[in-house]
Amino acid sequence: EAGVAQSPRYKIIEKRQSVAFWCNPISGHATLYWYQQILGQGPKLLIQFQNNGVVDDSQLPKDRFSAERLKGVDSTLKIQPAKLEDSAVYLCASSYLAGATADTQYFGPGTRLTVL
Amino acid sequence: RKEVEQDPGPFNVPEGATVAFNCTYSNSASQSFFWYRQDCRKEPKLLMSVYSSGNEDGRFTAQLNRASQYISLLIRDSKLSDSATYLCGILTGGGNKLTFGTGTQLKVEL
Repeated sequence: EAGVAQSPRYKIIEKRQSVAFWCNPISGHATLYWYQQILGQGPKLLIQFQNNGVVDDSQLPKDRFSAERLKGVDSTLKIQPAKLEDSAVYLCASSYLAGATADTQYFGPGTRLTVL
Repeated sequence: RKEVEQDPGPFNVPEGATVAFNCTYSNSASQSFFWYRQDCRKEPKLLMSVYSSGNEDGRFTAQLNRASQYISLLIRDSKLSDSATYLCGILTGGGNKLTFGTGTQLKVEL
């Protein structure tokens, strides 16, 4: 079974530039998550989609971050404009279902973003 | 108080040792609990879920203490390959939202 795919794997940009990350979840997984993991910290949920609807975006800095999952499969996360503190690994995860019953989240390899 | 807290370590232990980590959580309504393993510069991978009755998988044992609001992970007979960061994930609410701790770094040495 193919895992969660992400691209690019690495990105270096200057502050105030824009950047976009792409995620393809495991086939058949309805729920997709974007996490930000800053060095030395655990992953922090930015946004959660179920199919193409947003379930939780309470920790997404909406003034500069946006995400979409238009067809309920692939997703993109965009940062515009980037700040130095956005340097982190951006992890995409997917799970088969979401809801009251816990469902295993599978993570992609992540995109390592460096903002100079 | 943070929602989920872990001692970041590092825990340096000799091969063959037994080591235990704890993870405390603040929300008494938390429903499900997990241990993830994260190797350096890799993604987190689910190690095991933590059930109320406790569960064991080979050398790994996970337990939940709801009264004191913490989960634990015990690793017996540590191997060099166990060196990694161990993240606890706590599920709260109905939307499968996981909150992670900072992770505990384990280094197993010869």
